[in-house]
Amino acid sequence: GQSLEQPSEVTAVEGAIVQINCTYQTSGFYGLSWYQQHDGGAPTFLSYNALDGLEETGRFSSFLSRSDSYGYLLLQELQMKDSASYFCVLFSGGYNKLIFGAGTRLAVHP
Amino acid sequence: GAVVSQHPSRVICKSGTSVKIECRSLDFQATTMFWYRQFPKQSLMLMATSNEGSKATYEQGVEKDKFLINHASLTLSTLTVTSAHPEDSSFYICSARGEERNTIYFGEGSWLTVV
Repeated sequence: GQSLEQPSEVTAVEGAIVQINCTYQTSGFYGLSWYQQHDGGAPTFLSYNALDGLEETGRFSSFLSRSDSYGYLLLQELQMKDSASYFCVLFSGGYNKLIFGAGTRLAVHP
Repeated sequence: GAVVSQHPSRVICKSGTSVKIECRSLDFQATTMFWYRQFPKQSLMLMATSNEGSKATYEQGVEKDKFLINHASLTLSTLTVTSAHPEDSSFYICSARGEERNTIYFGEGSWLTVV
């Protein structure tokens, strides 16, 4: 089967940097993605890693290491609006299937 | 960019009735759409994969007779919760695969409350 593990909660202060880790178990996948979800809203796409290494998009960066079955999302210059749930997601099944991790609730404090 | 519209955003129905949720891709054709269910403060659980012109593929443990999925066109998939019960109350979200393989767009979600 496929599974992902990530911390349930993370707390940080405005302006800080936070890293949300994700480890996974799968027999095969195409890439690892990260989604943000605010309470009551739909998930929104943040990043996608098909290859090992770091992908940077503004204040957010994502990393993948297939050999370690590990990835992370790095959020810099945290803002209050970054308080949300963050999901690591496996793309599998011919890109058709998204397998969501349990999500990490990030709380940003002043 | 690509948009997926979901309707209704909120619905309250009586126990024993059926309710239909629509998912539309507004500016692209979606041969494949996905339906998820999410309980408060939990992750999204994939319920089924909806393929245009063919039967949906349900995940293990999801009752196909209770959650009817129809993908009648390249821009519309519907989820019908039949004989709804209070335990079916949840947030239902659809998504559609965009033209680029690694792009998935989500609808706004539908809150279902069964009373």
